[in-house]
Amino acid sequence: TQLLEQSPQFLSIQEGENLTVYCNSSSVFSSLQWYRQEPGEGPVLLVTVVTGGEVKKLKRLTFQFGDARKDSSLHITAAQPGDTGLYLCAGPNNAGNMLTFGGGTRLMVKP
Amino acid sequence: DTEVTQTPKHLVMGMTNKKSLKCEQHMGHRAMYWYKQKAKKPPELMFVYSYEKLSINESVPSRFSPECPNSSLLNLHLHALQPEDSALYLCASSRGGARVEPQHFGDGTRLSIL
Repeated sequence: TQLLEQSPQFLSIQEGENLTVYCNSSSVFSSLQWYRQEPGEGPVLLVTVVTGGEVKKLKRLTFQFGDARKDSSLHITAAQPGDTGLYLCAGPNNAGNMLTFGGGTRLMVKP
Repeated sequence: DTEVTQTPKHLVMGMTNKKSLKCEQHMGHRAMYWYKQKAKKPPELMFVYSYEKLSINESVPSRFSPECPNSSLLNLHLHALQPEDSALYLCASSRGGARVEPQHFGDGTRLSIL
């Protein structure tokens, strides 16, 4: 069974601070996806990383896929209250027919 | 606005009721999913439909019965649910095919069992 572990589970910071969220596994993934879920809504895809060592940027968010494709990180620069939400990493299982989700990181950015 | 539409947004039902959750997408996706999400937890996969055929059932109790009438619609029929079934039920879709593609989620139905 492929497991994805996210850390931290919960993060409360002030507006303007930087933060990093981690998604780790002992298994190799062909790709990893990051989603953000806001209260009362479904998860929304932020990015998919496919190549080991890949770095993708989405405004103030920087996503990195580990060289060995076993881990990924999400770095947010100058966090804003609008970044508040549940951040989920997810990857395809070995059979490639479903996603395995990490446990999520709940981020709260205070004004 | 999400491209996957779920109805109703909220549902309160008794343990003896029968109700259905509905999900619709018009993106031409051929894979559709039902997830259950408890508070502060990640989504848990329940069912996967691929090209309108049930391909994965994650050992879900028979009181949950999925149905895929066509490539755009996905239903979840509920009967004799238990209080612990109270949760947010999410529908998602993806392009389908040999690889797992990124999924598009609806905003969910928040279900409360009395």
